Amino acid sequence: AQTVTQSQPEMSVQEAETVTLSCTYDTSESDYYLFWYKQPPSRQMILVIRQEAYKQQNATENRFSVNFQKAAKSFSLKISDSQLGDAAMYFCAYRRTAVTGANSKLTFGKGITLSVRP
Amino acid sequence: DTGVSQDPRHKITKRGQNVTFRCDPISEHNRLYWYRQTLGQGPEFLTYFQNEAQLEKSRLLSDRFSAERPKGSFSTLEIQRTEQGDSAMYLCASSLAGERGNTIYFGEGSWLTVV
Repeated sequence: AQTVTQSQPEMSVQEAETVTLSCTYDTSESDYYLFWYKQPPSRQMILVIRQEAYKQQNATENRFSVNFQKAAKSFSLKISDSQLGDAAMYFCAYRRTAVTGANSKLTFGKGITLSVRP
Repeated sequence: DTGVSQDPRHKITKRGQNVTFRCDPISEHNRLYWYRQTLGQGPEFLTYFQNEAQLEKSRLLSDRFSAERPKGSFSTLEIQRTEQGDSAMYLCASSLAGERGNTIYFGEGSWLTVV
């Protein structure tokens, strides 16, 4: 079974600074997806960024980028120029690449709470 | 395009009562998922539908839990004889099958408190 581990329960960053959130995972699959989701307090979970395992290039979305190390099974999220609105819980998640039928579910880590200091 | 909507957003119930949550996915999405999330934890998968077929159920889904998606559109999650351990947020999500890398979109969740 696939597992996702986020070992840091909390992190804090100064506004405008850069922060990196860590995630490791375990799988025997060679092709899969990795995601970072953001969940603000009392609000819905939204997708921040997605990485396909077969792509060597790290994904980037504006101020958000990932460092994907497939051999090490590591998938960290870097937030540049942190903003107050980035304060939220961040979840790392894994999904197999099955396009049809079963096994399309997400497996989440326990999450990390990010606070942004003004 | 409206997102995934869930109803009710909050429910307080007495132990032993039955509760039902409803989820309306994004209109063209044929996949629908239910997750459970407790405070400070990541969501845990409960069950998954493709159209009206329930394709996978987690071992977390005890006999007291039942989910349906009768016409392949909205879904309901019913919990019978609620227990205090059922207190959690129940998240619904949807996606469109058949496209590599399809994104899963989440609703705002339904909070259940069992007293």
